[in-house]
Amino acid sequence: AQKVTQAQTEISVVEKEDVTLDCVYETRDTTYYLFWYKQPPSGELVFLIRRNSFDEQNEISGRYSWNFQKSTSSFNFTITASQVVDSAVYFCALIQGGGDMRFGAGTRLTVKP
Amino acid sequence: DVKVTQSSRYLVKRTGEKVFLECVQDMDHENMFWYRQDPGLGLRLIYFSYDVKMKEKGDIPEGYSVSREKKERFSLILESASTNQTSMYLCASSRRDRGREQYFGPGTRLTVT
Repeated sequence: AQKVTQAQTEISVVEKEDVTLDCVYETRDTTYYLFWYKQPPSGELVFLIRRNSFDEQNEISGRYSWNFQKSTSSFNFTITASQVVDSAVYFCALIQGGGDMRFGAGTRLTVKP
Repeated sequence: DVKVTQSSRYLVKRTGEKVFLECVQDMDHENMFWYRQDPGLGLRLIYFSYDVKMKEKGDIPEGYSVSREKKERFSLILESASTNQTSMYLCASSRRDRGREQYFGPGTRLTVT
């Protein structure tokens, strides 16, 4: 079975604060892929990052960074110096083997000015 | 840029009507997907297709059918709409390679009255 848990349902921060969105996954496969998506109020899911299980290097893209730790089965997402435009629902997702993409329930982030 | 378009952003239909949701992608992707998104339940896979005229059931295919006559187009059909099919419907596409990211359309918010 594969499962993705995003324990934080909603997070609210003030602009310029750093915020970390947690993602914990379960899989029995040694080969799997992890993803983060952003869903702004407009509704369209926007692809942010893809990671395969053999690449544990952390990734930084501007104010966004991702921390992949196989030892704790986590793939956390940090936004540094948050902005109002970061307000959205963020989904973590997993593909194991040749299976379907499985999504977490999502974390709603609100950044207040 | 990958572009996935859906025929309608908002749709209101009556119980018992036959409903067609259309999705078109312009990136020559082999795989296409239909999801529904409901509060608290995240994204659930209805059907997917990995080639023209091919289809596979997802987690919740009951009450739905699909059609893929051309590579770029994937249609979701509600044979007899019911109120419990009121939801946000999201179409996505991806390359055939295992574990590839999916690109999503803007979604169709369907209300069945």
